[in-house]
Amino acid sequence: ETGVTQTPRHLVMGMTNKKSLKCEQHLGHNAMYWYKQSAKKPLELMFVYNFKEQTENNSVPSRFSPECPNSSHLFLHLHTLQPEDSALYLCASSQDGVSNQPQHFGDGTRLSIL
Amino acid sequence: QKEVEQDPGPLSVPEGAIVSLNCTYSNSAFQYFMWYRQYSRKGPELLMYTYSSGNKEDGRFTAQVDKSSKYISLFIRDSQPSDSATYLCAMSAPYDNFNKFYFGSGTKLNVKP
Repeated sequence: ETGVTQTPRHLVMGMTNKKSLKCEQHLGHNAMYWYKQSAKKPLELMFVYNFKEQTENNSVPSRFSPECPNSSHLFLHLHTLQPEDSALYLCASSQDGVSNQPQHFGDGTRLSIL
Repeated sequence: QKEVEQDPGPLSVPEGAIVSLNCTYSNSAFQYFMWYRQYSRKGPELLMYTYSSGNKEDGRFTAQVDKSSKYISLFIRDSQPSDSATYLCAMSAPYDNFNKFYFGSGTKLNVKP
């Protein structure tokens, strides 16, 4: 495996379900990110982890809960989501969280809330 | 005012044309500029990464930064149907918190055979 891998690629869930998105990077990076991508809108930064420490929570509702057990893995735990949360969720990584090095993205999880 | 403005398109061109994609921005502190290509059902893929003003060339792609005008461009020469994708610009400022990137909303490009 190379690059940034996200699973599952597609997820359909009801508003009362609990699910988790997984991201793994094989680039030796130390910073990882969660973004939300909606149609015709810029990527919305949700969370940033730098050396496993959360450095940003961009006013994201508490129904989204991130977890970063080590520098290679990132999770996004979901519960009681709303229909407006349907979107593509992208994970990215970069060398670190401060040096302006480019971010490398996975292919995302397409989330649909029923 | 958005930090980064990008025409959403779609932009439709014939194969072999020269394509110009553009973004404008408002924050004069931006020093790092990136272009990403995103195919349907895929994540953004880094195409070009430049620092400060000037040009950078990589094969058929040229990135241009004009900081005085707060304007960046991506030129694609001899465009191919395989270049059909959405192109995102992104930028960041040095010493900004947590390496925050500011993205445009993307321009959809369609290269017709």
